Amino acid sequence: AQSVTQLDSHVSVSEGTPVLLRCNYSSSYSPSLFWYVQHPNKGLQLLLKYTSAATLVKGINGFEAEFKKSETSFHLTKPSAHMSDAAEYFCVVSDQGGKLIFGQGTELSVKP
Amino acid sequence: DSGVTQTPKHLITATGQRVTLRCSPRSGDLSVYWYQQSLDQGLQFLIQYYNGEERAKGNILERFSAQQFPDLHSELNLSSLELGDSALYFCASSVQTGEGSGNTIYFGEGSWLTVV
Repeated sequence: AQSVTQLDSHVSVSEGTPVLLRCNYSSSYSPSLFWYVQHPNKGLQLLLKYTSAATLVKGINGFEAEFKKSETSFHLTKPSAHMSDAAEYFCVVSDQGGKLIFGQGTELSVKP
Repeated sequence: DSGVTQTPKHLITATGQRVTLRCSPRSGDLSVYWYQQSLDQGLQFLIQYYNGEERAKGNILERFSAQQFPDLHSELNLSSLELGDSALYFCASSVQTGEGSGNTIYFGEGSWLTVV
């Protein structure tokens, strides 16, 4: 069965500093992995997805994630945080039927 | 704007009642998914329809049902509501069934249901 574990429930950074949101996955086959973001009172927006092409995936708003099979990780990074990045971030794996299995989420706070 | 439209955005109802949540998928998308987001359970997959037929079922209660109509919009029916059903219900859509890799699923903004 597929699953994802987000290692931090809450991350706080200062504006202009790097962001690292950690995610480990478990999958019995080559997974499709995604990061979604949810701003307060908003829907879920796709940031980026990995589908067995390049291991370094670039997404919207300057975010990127690196697929590391040896570490079963798919961490999300951004070089410089912006106040507007404050939101809930979900690491997601797709099962073979295409259903999305969500991690528990990481709340990102950005301090001025 | 993802192109997935959900109504109503907010709904307050009493225990024991029945409500219907509506979803219009993105133009051209044949697959519709329903997810429930609650504080204790997180984001849980409920059910998926593809071109009018049920495709996959997740943690959906027997009190809940859904359907996808010929025009591809979908409705989620929640009956005999309990306090614990209070949650944010998301609809999502995609072009394909989702099988295989890389299918991108787009989410609506959700319907907030409060059961009092």
